[in-house]
Amino acid sequence: EAQVTQNPRYLITVTGKKLTVTCSQNMNHEYMSWYRQDPGLGLRQIYYSMNVEVTDKGDVPEGYKVSRKEKRNFPLILESPSPNQTSLYFCASSLNGDYTYEQYFGPGTRLTVT
Amino acid sequence: GQQVMQIPQYQHVQEGEDFTTYCNSSTTLSNIQWYKQRPGGHPVFLIQLVKSGEVKKQKRLTFQFGEAKKNSSLHITATQTTDVGTYFCAVMEYGNKLVFGAGTILRVKS
Repeated sequence: EAQVTQNPRYLITVTGKKLTVTCSQNMNHEYMSWYRQDPGLGLRQIYYSMNVEVTDKGDVPEGYKVSRKEKRNFPLILESPSPNQTSLYFCASSLNGDYTYEQYFGPGTRLTVT
Repeated sequence: GQQVMQIPQYQHVQEGEDFTTYCNSSTTLSNIQWYKQRPGGHPVFLIQLVKSGEVKKQKRLTFQFGEAKKNSSLHITATQTTDVGTYFCAVMEYGNKLVFGAGTILRVKS
């Protein structure tokens, strides 16, 4: 089944404790991205990747890191989480960065930072 | 960067009533995509519009792209409880960044 998977689905952590949210897709997609969703603000892009070893900042990259060492995986790293990073996070992928292709979203990761 | 305004933020309708959400941009868009997110779920792609004045239909859903390619609408005829969720528009910004509208939350009273 073609899908985007994220882990963990739920995470409660404390300020400053490094964490990684994994994202994997099995569709051989080139374009992958991370979004955070907050009430009233919609989905805001954190980082995106056009292909392996190619990443770029989205609209809200501060406090986040990403890497794209393999085509299928695009982990999101929070080196020192803070309470303002409490949010719902979605990973997404599409065939490539061309505007004509739809985004496939993962199920989401709800992160709480206390 | 690209800004896309989506209105209304929230709409509560009686089952059977129609519903419309709008996305507006100050700049000409190359295309626009629409997504639906059910409560507790993830966004799911509905459709993409590319041509000026384009109109596409999916059963009770009608999508329109303005003649000037600066606005778009999603209209649902005779809403059903299965239509509840948040509807987002999305546009690709220069540099391959995807920008989403804030979304319209639809609630349907049965």
